[in-house]
Amino acid sequence: DIQMTQSPSSLSASIGDRVTITCRASQTISRSLNWYQQKPGKAPKLLIYAASSLQSGVPSRFSGTGSGTDFTLTISSLQPEDLATYYCQQSNSNPQTFGPGTKVEIK
Amino acid sequence: QVQLLQSGAEVKQPGSSVKVSCKASGGTFSSYTITWVRQAPGQGLEWMGSILPIVDIRNYAQNFQGRVTITADKSTSTAYMELSSLRSEDTAVYYCARERVYDSSLSDWGQGTLVTVSS
Repeated sequence: DIQMTQSPSSLSASIGDRVTITCRASQTISRSLNWYQQKPGKAPKLLIYAASSLQSGVPSRFSGTGSGTDFTLTISSLQPEDLATYYCQQSNSNPQTFGPGTKVEIK
Repeated sequence: QVQLLQSGAEVKQPGSSVKVSCKASGGTFSSYTITWVRQAPGQGLEWMGSILPIVDIRNYAQNFQGRVTITADKSTSTAYMELSSLRSEDTAVYYCARERVYDSSLSDWGQGTLVTVSS
């Protein structure tokens, strides 16, 4: 199975800050990497697919980069509604594994 | 846009089984993969398995082999996930999600079903 790691596991940032979350795969997955946002008590929501494509309806302050084994999710200007946990997921091969998540808090 | 509506919360005894349903509306049910993901309290997301109804191809995570069965009823556009030999560690919210064909991302999610395993 492909193992996914994320860092940091949590972060606290101020409104307007630039936030970066990294995700690493245990083997190359090309660009088969997706990012999800999960707010407390809610189902996950797709933000970024295929490493860098913005899902329809997602604010443009979210962006993704990377290929191979190393990926990043960036929030260019943190907003109060971005309080959530963010997960990466590889969809290169089954089982489709998730990273452990990064909890984003507002300072 | 596909909407996924899951069945309600369940409380089960250890050793029993649970069957969670996921009814789809919108899109062509048979042609897309339905994936099941679970989340234990305070924990991350765990991929359990998937089904492509049009050809009845199923994939299961090794962790659940032999205990999970995913099926689909094309006539009612409903997918099912049955988990047997339940133990307390299976207490979790179970989600179904639609896997998009061209990039395999999970673009639409059900609301989740809480399964509590307790004696």
